[in-house]
Amino acid sequence: DQQVKQNSPSLSVQEGRISILNCDYTNSMFDYFLWYKKYPAEGPTFLISISSIKDKNEDGRFTVFLNKSAKHLSLHIVPSQPGDSAVYFCAAVNAGKSTFGDGTTLTVKP
Amino acid sequence: DGGITQSPKYLFRKEGQNVTLSCEQNLNHDAMYWYRQDPGQGLRLIYYSQIVNDFQKGDIAEGYSVSREKKESFPLTVTSAQKNPTAFYLCASSIGLAGVSGTGELFFGEGSRLTVL
Repeated sequence: DQQVKQNSPSLSVQEGRISILNCDYTNSMFDYFLWYKKYPAEGPTFLISISSIKDKNEDGRFTVFLNKSAKHLSLHIVPSQPGDSAVYFCAAVNAGKSTFGDGTTLTVKP
Repeated sequence: DGGITQSPKYLFRKEGQNVTLSCEQNLNHDAMYWYRQDPGQGLRLIYYSQIVNDFQKGDIAEGYSVSREKKESFPLTVTSAQKNPTAFYLCASSIGLAGVSGTGELFFGEGSRLTVL
């Protein structure tokens, strides 16, 4: 049973517009949620995180929203840039382990 | 430069052979992890270690073994018992154990791609 799900394998947006990536989870014990960005043949790099006691965290163009009652989080990128094109993984943390979703491939078109 | 170094970047193995993937970090992090990624899938945890000489099985530990004799090093051996070893392997570290000490932000190496011939 997959505890962290990213239901959209891909997303395409126009440069300058908003990108919204979604993630759902099933385990209410997760303490933190993180987003990572990954380019092909490289390791993921950390983007932004949010504690389970918060509902929003912002860092520049990136904002993560957490809806605990719906067990849902989202990553907003505004404005989107071509360099944002990558695979984005949602991860949830509990008891020493990070559980990852399958990723969403974001393509930002110039 | 501080970071995580994985080697080799590409590795080919014949069926029945054991192979060892190297992971070294100079970030002075206590916790280290091994993940496996298959095409179109997320990262799945193989093993993790909070401190030297201690490690725990992750979700898919069967057919793998690890050691943690030094803080900086966490090698992964893919044994012949692993039925489907062809994958992209990622090593990561964090300041403390994820979610126990801090947010659990992971620092990843560049990965090792293992192909079984």
